[in-house]
Amino acid sequence: KAGVTQTPRYLIKTRGQQVTLSCSPISGHRSVSWYQQTPGQGLQFLFEYFSETQRNKGNFPGRFSGRQFSNSRSEMNVSTLELGDSALYLCASSFMSKNTEAFFGQGTRLTVV
Amino acid sequence: TQLLEQSPQFLSIQEGENLTVYCNSSSVFSSLQWYRQEPGEGPVLLVTVVTGGEVKKLKRLTFQFGDARKDSSLHITAAQPGDTGLYLCAGAQTNAGKSTFGDGTTLTVKP
Repeated sequence: KAGVTQTPRYLIKTRGQQVTLSCSPISGHRSVSWYQQTPGQGLQFLFEYFSETQRNKGNFPGRFSGRQFSNSRSEMNVSTLELGDSALYLCASSFMSKNTEAFFGQGTRLTVV
Repeated sequence: TQLLEQSPQFLSIQEGENLTVYCNSSSVFSSLQWYRQEPGEGPVLLVTVVTGGEVKKLKRLTFQFGDARKDSSLHITAAQPGDTGLYLCAGAQTNAGKSTFGDGTTLTVKP
């Protein structure tokens, strides 16, 4: 059974640009959550999607958005990138919404220069 | 204010030593998970505890959930270099839609 796949693994962008990250959950999992991880702030919840609907949202500005497709694959987008957006972005899949047992991908390391 | 406080923040020990790391909160959780994360990788789920007072063992790792379901501990016996990593606890509150993560304990086991 394939795990959670995130692409790309590494990304370098310039301030002001936008970026789209992709996540393919474990087959059969319908919930996808996104997290931002930085050394100073730890693991911060961005949002959760279940059956193409956003179920929960963390305290991030509107520049951070996401969506989920009918096959449960999810994308997150960050517009007008700032230096502080440099982080490891992690995607986690679960069978059900609010299922706290999550299976994480390897993450996308985003560097904003 | 961090909902889940993990301690210590950093721990460096020699191979063969025992250690305990803690995850504390003033809030009650319906369940709590422990994850281990290696550099450049995503966290990997180790265990879920649900019942107050529950103890789960995973080889050399022993996990305990507090009676009041507000805290948890992870004890490692005879640590090995392969145990090196960031240990994260995550708790789910009954009416919350997501887990809250602690800041983690970074463990280094020296050979």
